Amino acid sequence: EVQLLESGGGLVQPGGSLKLSCAGSGFTFSTYIMTWVRQAPGKGLEWVSSISGSGLSRYYADSVKARFTISRDNSKNTMYLQLKSLRADDTAVYYCARLGRRPSEGWFYPWGQGTLVTVSS
Amino acid sequence: EIVMTQSPVTLSVSPGERVTLSCRASQSVTTSLAWYQQRPGQAPRLLIYGASIRATGIPARFSGSGSGTEFTLTINSLQSEDFALYYCQQYNNWPPLTFGGGTKVEMK
Repeated sequence: EVQLLESGGGLVQPGGSLKLSCAGSGFTFSTYIMTWVRQAPGKGLEWVSSISGSGLSRYYADSVKARFTISRDNSKNTMYLQLKSLRADDTAVYYCARLGRRPSEGWFYPWGQGTLVTVSS
Repeated sequence: EIVMTQSPVTLSVSPGERVTLSCRASQSVTTSLAWYQQRPGQAPRLLIYGASIRATGIPARFSGSGSGTEFTLTINSLQSEDFALYYCQQYNNWPPLTFGGGTKVEMK
């Protein structure tokens, strides 16, 4: 069974940092594009960042560019999201999701259960 | 950036009814369109990709259609577990990957 499990969320002060992790299982992790999507409380879904299977290509939403860094360790079947300079509007549930092996396979399947990041003083 | 617009925002229906949700793209996305269902407190679940291909394990009462800029998700004979939020998403031209604002299907 294909599964994704996020961890690392929590309460952080404005301007602070946090690192999220997403562990994948049940599939050949290194061959898939992996992605972070977030959802602010009561709001819709927002794509945050994606990383190619090799890790060489990385993409970011304008709202997080230069503040967030996506990475992966294929030896550990794990993807990461380093969040820095956090703001109140970064408060959200952060979901890890798998895309396809190619950019043309850009649908999200499956999704992790999400990890909540709260930015507040 | 391709903007996705869903309508209506809320749909009030009764169990057993047929439901039609709409999604419009600001420019053509060919058939690179997916639909997701999100129940309260849960992660989204993939329903449809390629505009009309049901994902693994999705009941046949869910169907998708459309191409270019106009898309539809139809739910035949709505079940109690189908009351949820539904999102469309384009992947024809990214980054960024973009979602519609969602349609809430609620019980009348």
